[in-house]
Amino acid sequence: AQSVTQLDSHVSVSEGTPVLLRCNYSSSYSPSLFWYVQHPNKGLQLLLKYTSAATLVKGINGFEAEFKKSETSFHLTKPSAHMSDAAEYFCVVSDNTGGFKTIFGAGTRLFVKA
Amino acid sequence: DTGVSQDPRHKITKRGQNVTFRCDPISEHNRLYWYRQTLGQGPEFLTYFQNEAQLEKSRLLSDRFSAERPKGSFSTLEIQRTEQGDSAMYLCASSLGRGGSETQYFGPGTRLLVL
Repeated sequence: AQSVTQLDSHVSVSEGTPVLLRCNYSSSYSPSLFWYVQHPNKGLQLLLKYTSAATLVKGINGFEAEFKKSETSFHLTKPSAHMSDAAEYFCVVSDNTGGFKTIFGAGTRLFVKA
Repeated sequence: DTGVSQDPRHKITKRGQNVTFRCDPISEHNRLYWYRQTLGQGPEFLTYFQNEAQLEKSRLLSDRFSAERPKGSFSTLEIQRTEQGDSAMYLCASSLGRGGSETQYFGPGTRLLVL
């Protein structure tokens, strides 16, 4: 069975410091993994996705994530936070077998202090 | 490409009433999904369509819920005899592809409040 655990419900960083949002997954099959961002009163936007190619995935707005199969992790990072990064972030695992299962994590709210 | 649109954006109804939401996907996308998101939680999958066929339904989709996608274009989600527990954001997404690796593009959602 698939599952996604976002290890922190809230993360607070200062502007200009690194961001780390943690995600662990469980999947019986070769998963596709995604990070989405949700700004207040806006729709979900894809940041990046992993689909069994390069394990280090680069996304929009300077975000990247590394797929680590041995650790079943897909943590999201950014070297330097910007005020506009403040939002809710969701880690997502999706089944690749042709049947459909997409599971969202509970989300991590990122606060960025000036 | 105007993105995924949903209508209405907000709906307030009284318990026991029926409501219907509409989703217009990106025009060439063959897959359409419905999710429900409650406060402080991630979206939960409800159902999805490949073209006009409804291929999977979550256990969350009780018999009061029904979804259609006639002609494989727009979709409607109807909730009959609404309950206060139905209050949530209902999200629609669409994608182009067959497997689970394609990107889903989300609409802005319909926020439902059941009084």
